[in-house]
Amino acid sequence: RKEVEQDPGPFNVPEGATVAFNCTYSNSASQSFFWYRQDCRKEPKLLMSVYSSGNEDGRFTAQLNRASQYISLLIRDSKLSDSATYLCVVNFDNDYKLSFGAGTTVTVRA
Amino acid sequence: NAGVTQTPKFQVLKTGQSMTLQCAQDMNHNSMYWYRQDPGMGLRLIYYSASEGTTDKGEVPNGYNVSRLNKREFSLRLESAAPSQTSVYFCASSEAFEGGLDTQYFGPGTRLTVL
Repeated sequence: RKEVEQDPGPFNVPEGATVAFNCTYSNSASQSFFWYRQDCRKEPKLLMSVYSSGNEDGRFTAQLNRASQYISLLIRDSKLSDSATYLCVVNFDNDYKLSFGAGTTVTVRA
Repeated sequence: NAGVTQTPKFQVLKTGQSMTLQCAQDMNHNSMYWYRQDPGMGLRLIYYSASEGTTDKGEVPNGYNVSRLNKREFSLRLESAAPSQTSVYFCASSEAFEGGLDTQYFGPGTRLTVL
């Protein structure tokens, strides 16, 4: 079983729509959670950290559910520029390493 | 402030050839990492260096060696390239703190093809 699992998608949505997707992780001792964004043939970049109480950054909302061991990302009012692959990233047990999901692809169409 | 730089950007090797991928960061981070990314697999950690003078194996270290040359530079060497090592390689750096890791910053990647 993979440590971090994501629905690969793709999620094809029209501009202005809301899209949401989850990521599950296997290690209950996980401490830190992140969403990274990766554009085609580019390097991953941090989108946002995920805090226990949930957090928003503009149109993006991240939630953490420790009991069910998943995190979620919701994008409101989708823009064409939101088209990308979103990587779920988990830091297990204060390790120096991060574990990456394979990514969820979102395509926003005009 | 260049962040994380990698060279080369592209490389084609024949089976059995060797090469070194170079990585440097100018953010004064203690920790540096090498990942490979294959379709449908996500990023997999090859080796990492938690601090200058230390290196540790990640998830997929076989066929690779690393050198933490100084705080800024972390190189990845393929001694005898194999077609299975065809991939995109990313270097990253971050700061570690009590309780976890800070943001990882990635280089632009090296696209390696082994024939």
